[in-house]
Amino acid sequence: QVQLQESGPGLVKPSDTLSLTCAVSGYSISSSNWWGWIRQPPGKGLEWIGYIYYSGSTYYNPSLKSRVTMSVDTSKNQFSLKLSSVTAVDTAVYYCAITKSGSYWNPVDYWGQGTLVTVSS
Amino acid sequence: SYVLTQPPSVSVAPGKTARITCGGNNIGSKSVHWYQQKPGQAPVLVIYYDSDRPSGIPERFSGSNSGNTATLTISRVEAGDEADYYCQVWDSSSDHPGVVFGGGTKLTVL
Repeated sequence: QVQLQESGPGLVKPSDTLSLTCAVSGYSISSSNWWGWIRQPPGKGLEWIGYIYYSGSTYYNPSLKSRVTMSVDTSKNQFSLKLSSVTAVDTAVYYCAITKSGSYWNPVDYWGQGTLVTVSS
Repeated sequence: SYVLTQPPSVSVAPGKTARITCGGNNIGSKSVHWYQQKPGQAPVLVIYYDSDRPSGIPERFSGSNSGNTATLTISRVEAGDEADYYCQVWDSSSDHPGVVFGGGTKLTVL
């Protein structure tokens, strides 16, 4: 069974870079799925951040593209998110996710439990 | 950019049918996915590709998509269906393709 586990600091200072990692178990990150990050500010809706394929191909949300970097580490079976120059509006629960096998337009099949990241000095 | 519009809230009595809409320009030409999210939990896929149900999702959940509106229908609503529901598409119509979520609909079971 696929399991996704986010990890990273729960508190980030304004203007710093938010860094999160998603450890994947029960499934190979080199499979034909897209791996992604989705966030949810407290009390608000879902916002897609981006997808990455194990080969390194990416799609990013245009509104965040200038600040987002995603990467894959196949040796550790994990993938990562970096979001630079954060402000309070970046405070959210961050989920890592995997799409159904195949295309990037497939739905998210599995989600991590989510991790709350607060941006505050 | 592509916009998906959902009603903020829908209320329904137990045993009745709930319909949650997701509006978008010519959404009928896209594939729509629906997620259920209960408080404090990650979302769960309940309908994909307009009307397919993942294994483990009750037959009471169904979906349709035509024209400018996609609809998630929940028949014989139960108290356990109370949750937030989000529609989602892949927008390939712009220079920056990507995932778009609707704003979400809170389903209240009276």
